[in-house]
Amino acid sequence: GAVVSQHPSWVICKSGTSVKIECRSLDFQATTMFWYRQFPKQSLMLMATSNEGSKATYEQGVEKDKFLINHASLTLSTLTVTSAHPEDSSFYICSARALIRVSSTEAFFGQGTRLTVV
Amino acid sequence: GENVEQHPSTLSVQEGDSAVIKCTYSDSASNYFPWYKQELGKRPQLIIDIRSNVGEKKDQRIAVTLNKTAKHFSLHITETQPEDSAVYFCAALNQAGTALIFGKGTTLSVSS
Repeated sequence: GAVVSQHPSWVICKSGTSVKIECRSLDFQATTMFWYRQFPKQSLMLMATSNEGSKATYEQGVEKDKFLINHASLTLSTLTVTSAHPEDSSFYICSARALIRVSSTEAFFGQGTRLTVV
Repeated sequence: GENVEQHPSTLSVQEGDSAVIKCTYSDSASNYFPWYKQELGKRPQLIIDIRSNVGEKKDQRIAVTLNKTAKHFSLHITETQPEDSAVYFCAALNQAGTALIFGKGTTLSVSS
C-alpha cells in the first residue's frame, strides 16, 4: 500500500511553546490529508481536513488558531500546535487519500506523533 | 454529520473462537466502510473494507457484512489467534464523502 510518513514520532515540549508535525505521502500525491487526535484508549477524532493549496476545514470544536494546518504541496501537510498546554498532550495521526488509485477512498495513516506538553 | 456507533467496547474470546464487532452509522449516503486494526502505539492498519454495492466481503479469517437498510455493518473474525488481539475501529465516510469518521473502537483480547 501507499506510504505516509509522519515526523516526529514523539515530542516533548514546554508549555507555551509551539510544535510542528509533518505528514508526507512518500509514493503518491495526496490532494487531501486528514488530521486526527487520539486520547489513550479512545477513538480517532477528526480534527480537520487539509486540502492542497487551500484553507483547511476544521471540525466543530477545534480551534483554528491553535491548530494551524498548512498543505503546501501534494505530498506535505503540517500541523502546528501553537502555545501548547498540557491538555494538548495526545497522539496526533495524519492520513492521506491517494489521488490516482482506483479505490481513492482508502486512507493511509502516518505512524502518529505522541505529543507531551510539560 | 456522520455518527458511527461501535459495540462492544471490549471483547474477550478464547483462541479458536469467533469474534463479532458491530457498527451502525447515521448517514444513509455513506458508501464506504473500512475496518482498521490498531496495535498499541502504532498506526491504524486497514484490514478489510466494503462498499455499499455489496453485502458481504471475505478475506481468509476476516469477513465484513453490510446491511444498508438497517445502516449497520459487522466485522467477523473466525478461528481467532492471540495475534488478533488489538483495538479494532470501524469507520464510515462523512457526509461530504471526504473524511473517515471512526467508531470508538473495540479492544479484542484473545487468550490461549
